[in-house]
Amino acid sequence: DVVMTQTPPSLSVAIGQSVSISCKSSQSLVHSDGKTYLNWLLQNPGQSPKRLIYQVSNLGSGVPDRFSGTGSEKDFTLKISRVEAEDLGVYHCVQVTHVPHTFGAGTKLELK
Amino acid sequence: EVQLVETGGGLVQPGRSLKVSCVASGFTFRNYWMSWTRQAPGKGLEWVASITNGGSSTYYSDSVKGRFTISRDNAQSTLYLQMNSLRSEDTATYYCTSSALAYWGQGTLVTVSS
Repeated sequence: DVVMTQTPPSLSVAIGQSVSISCKSSQSLVHSDGKTYLNWLLQNPGQSPKRLIYQVSNLGSGVPDRFSGTGSEKDFTLKISRVEAEDLGVYHCVQVTHVPHTFGAGTKLELK
Repeated sequence: EVQLVETGGGLVQPGRSLKVSCVASGFTFRNYWMSWTRQAPGKGLEWVASITNGGSSTYYSDSVKGRFTISRDNAQSTLYLQMNSLRSEDTATYYCTSSALAYWGQGTLVTVSS
């Protein structure tokens, strides 16, 4: 199974600050079709997860452009510019290139 | 508006069975692979099973293989998860998700306890 290593486990930020979260996979996430199926999700407190980014860098529907995703092969980063209160919660990376699909352990974003 | 509404969760004894359902609306259900993902209380997310858009192929995590069955009814835009031989470690909120995790339901809580 592909292991997804997500860091840091938690972040304490001030509103307006920018932050980055890292996600590294134990093997390449490039699919045989040439695409890389690495997603980022946000789970606000008490809510279901919501997809923010798909295929490394594509913004999900309605997601503000303060969010951006970069990376390739085995090394990926989510950046949040100018954090807002609604951004607080747990961020998850997940790969859907390989079966079983596997998730990172999550990064909890809290207010400083 | 896309909606995924899960139902059927509850308290069940170890070794018993339970079937959860997910009704989809707002998108063309028959065109999408669908999956179940779960989250144990206070824990991370775990993929459980996936099914192709036509239902001809299914995929399972090792932790549920042989005990759980994913299925779908495209005419009713409904996804199912039949869970047999339930264990305490299956206690979780079960989310219905579309392919590539674009859409999520609100989840249904399954508690396995005597």
